[in-house]
Amino acid sequence: DQQVKQNSPSLSVQEGRISILNCDYTNSMFDYFLWYKKYPAEGPTFLISISSIKDKNEDGRFTVFLNKSAKHLSLHIVPSQPGDSAVYFCAASEGGTASKLTFGTGTRLQVTL
Amino acid sequence: EPEVTQTPSHQVTQMGQEVILRCVPISNHLYFYWYRQILGQKVEFLVSFYNNEISEKSEIFDDQFSVERPDGSNFTLKIRSTKLEDSAMYFCASSEWGTGLYGYTFGSGTRLTVV
Repeated sequence: DQQVKQNSPSLSVQEGRISILNCDYTNSMFDYFLWYKKYPAEGPTFLISISSIKDKNEDGRFTVFLNKSAKHLSLHIVPSQPGDSAVYFCAASEGGTASKLTFGTGTRLQVTL
Repeated sequence: EPEVTQTPSHQVTQMGQEVILRCVPISNHLYFYWYRQILGQKVEFLVSFYNNEISEKSEIFDDQFSVERPDGSNFTLKIRSTKLEDSAMYFCASSEWGTGLYGYTFGSGTRLTVV
């Protein structure tokens, strides 16, 4: 049951350019959407989130866009840096107390020099 | 910056043995979670814990699994009789607010290998 899908397993971007990572979901009950970054042998690190009542949230180089009608969100990283190379997971939550996160399968981002 | 600490980082166990994975959440956090990631697959929710009881558990979290907060700082996951398919990376997470909007802080994980 793939409620959160990341259809691109990998993405390669040149340093300084924009990285766009995409995520689709099927569950209309999701209230919050999050992006996590993960390096090998480490746990996921929270990057940015967005509430379903918004369509954009920005934090420094990271911007998340939400299109509820299309059930689609994206993470933009501008400008991309070599240190951004990692696996990026989209996750979603229905809200409520101790709400679980449902993760996508991840997109491996490689930022090249 | 506060972090979630997990021990051990690696655990190898024989099939049928009991294992206990340990976690020290961030001290002012109230919500605690266990997730796992089988190699090459996505991160999956196991269980959430709040106010000294399980809030929600997934289908994976069957009678072989249990969680405990034995004191004010530790949060443990016990697998009573391990199976080969329990081999995975297990992540503990904690949060101050349990809704998801502010993100959960994850530990670095325990790699469990069942042989």
